[in-house]
Parts: sequence; structure tokens; C-alpha cells
Amino acid sequence: DAKTTQPPSMDCAEGRAANLPCNHSTISGNEYVYWYRQIHSQGPQYIIHGLKNNETNEMASLIITEDRKSSTLILPHATLRDTAVYYCIALNSGNTPLVFGKGTRLSVIA
Amino acid sequence: ETGVTQSPTHLIKTRGQQVTLRCSSQSGHNTVSWYQQALGQGPQFIFQYYREEENGRGNFPPRFSGLQFPNYSSELNVNALELDDSALYLCASSFFTGSEQYFGPGTRLTVT
Repeated sequence: DAKTTQPPSMDCAEGRAANLPCNHSTISGNEYVYWYRQIHSQGPQYIIHGLKNNETNEMASLIITEDRKSSTLILPHATLRDTAVYYCIALNSGNTPLVFGKGTRLSVIA
Repeated sequence: ETGVTQSPTHLIKTRGQQVTLRCSSQSGHNTVSWYQQALGQGPQFIFQYYREEENGRGNFPPRFSGLQFPNYSSELNVNALELDDSALYLCASSFFTGSEQYFGPGTRLTVT
């Protein structure tokens, strides 16, 4: 699985969009970009995934660059409950064992 | 539809003892994966079970073993506990050909 690089921490004002970047320059053609988050002391939660097209669901949007070397997770209107560690993971399929890096600690501030 | 549940929530054991952690998968899911999360770290993959067979294993010693039952629930057993085994143990269930894994709340194990 490709290695991903994320900033260690970010702040976002409540109600504003949170844009979380992820670099995956060595991603292969059949690897998806997955995003999970982990709120303090809870199990990780699946957010969204994509291959090369932009994706949107009720939680977030995922923007993948045309060369697929990086992506951005967008939380359109961040709330205090979105404060969590966000993990970007590249893998071949959703059932492949997840390899978690250090992730980005997002703090949403009132 | 019930989510993934784990028991117990917290557990304290002494070094050298054995422990069994339990996981009930989400309804209909046939695959269970176990992860260990030390304090301040991301979860680390222990092993995965599909239809009662081990389907992959991470870099963990043989004293970490598991079981999956016909109803797809699962157990994680750890023998000869060491202090470094203190961690949050997470179970995740999924469809074998599915797109995402659904995690339980975890079991916090403390080894003294």
C-alpha cells in the first residue's frame, strides 16, 4: 500500500469548511484513497473513499487531483463534534487491513 | 441494524495472565479484523478472520490468537500478557468484498 503524508494538526473555526490535505505520491492505479476519523477514545469511523473521481456523501467531500498524487477531505460546515484525528489511507480494497499513520488532529474551535 | 459491539469495556490483568476479548460483528458482516492501539499511536493490524478462517496476520507474536464463530462473532486471545500489551483493542467488521470497515468502541486492556 502507498505511503500517505498528512499534517500533524490543523485548526478550524466552527461553521467553516475544514480542508484536510493528504499526499500519496506513490499511489498505484488500483489503490483507493480512504478516509477514517477517530474521535477521542472511540473506534475509528469510516468517512469516504474514492479512486479518481471526486466523491461526496452526507459527511464529507473528497477531492482527488488529476494525477492522483494528493487529495483533500472537505468537511463543509465543521462542528465541535468533528474534532478528531483524521486518517488518510491508500489501499487496494476496503477489506484490506488498514495501515494507520499518525493522521491529522483536527481541532474545531468555537 | 446493530453496530459492532465489544466486551468487556475495560479490563485489568497481571503480567503473565491470559485474556479473552469478544466482538460481535454488525449484522450480515462475514469478516472481522482486530487492531491494537497503543496510547498516542494509530491502530495496528493484528489479524483478520473470514468465515472462521484466519485471512491475514500482522506483525504480532503467536501468543495473540483468535477465533471466529459461525455467527461471525469473534474472540481475541492473548497469552502470557506483557506490560506492552496494555492498549485499546479494536474490532472491525465488514463484508469480505465490501468497501469499508465498521469499528466497535474497543476494549481498554491494562496490564500491571
